[in-house]
Amino acid sequence: GESVGLHLPTLSVQEGDNSIINCAYSNSASDYFIWYKQESGKGPQFIIDIRSNMDKRQGQRVTVLLNKTVKHLSLQIAATQPGDSAVYFCAEKSDSWGKLQFGAGTQVVVTP
Amino acid sequence: NAGVMQNPRHLVRRRGQEARLRCSPVKGHSHVYWYRQLPEEGLKFMVYLQKENIIDESGMPKERFSAEFPKEGPSILRIQQVVRGDSAAYFCASSPARTSDTEAFFGQGTRLTVV
Repeated sequence: GESVGLHLPTLSVQEGDNSIINCAYSNSASDYFIWYKQESGKGPQFIIDIRSNMDKRQGQRVTVLLNKTVKHLSLQIAATQPGDSAVYFCAEKSDSWGKLQFGAGTQVVVTP
Repeated sequence: NAGVMQNPRHLVRRRGQEARLRCSPVKGHSHVYWYRQLPEEGLKFMVYLQKENIIDESGMPKERFSAEFPKEGPSILRIQQVVRGDSAAYFCASSPARTSDTEAFFGQGTRLTVV
């Protein structure tokens, strides 16, 4: 069936470097995507979203890129900090009411 | 303004017992969602409720699992006769309208361990 999935299970990044987390999706009809951050022992926290009529959206230190041609989504974190260590999930909204379908997640580990 | 409150945070049950997980949505939110997260996996949708009504339960196992969101009080996810495979983190989210139109906010989760 249709699914959302991630390429890399773990990403180790040196503090101060930029992080790039990738996500592939298979439902070409998806029109809304969200990135969530989940710290250990906590619930998912909204980071940034993007609609399918956009290619790029920027937030504070984060940028989401959407390539509809290859059905690929990425999250870029600038100047990664220790507080960015977490699991990052991409999710797509589906169904008429906006059901969230999550990918498997990428663990980001920030090293000093 | 309190966020989504889930309790208990940790729950241990023996096989065959019942587990009751509670979720108090953000004040004013009438839409509640339950998700399950197995270790090392993403969140899987279980059920969507809107005050006193089940809107979508397509992710809920047909047996042993039930959910409610009464007019007054928290939403309850009930698991009867728990088995080891039910061990997971259960997350509740709430929103003021359906999530096609707005963002959902997640609670801290209840970690269920079946021994």
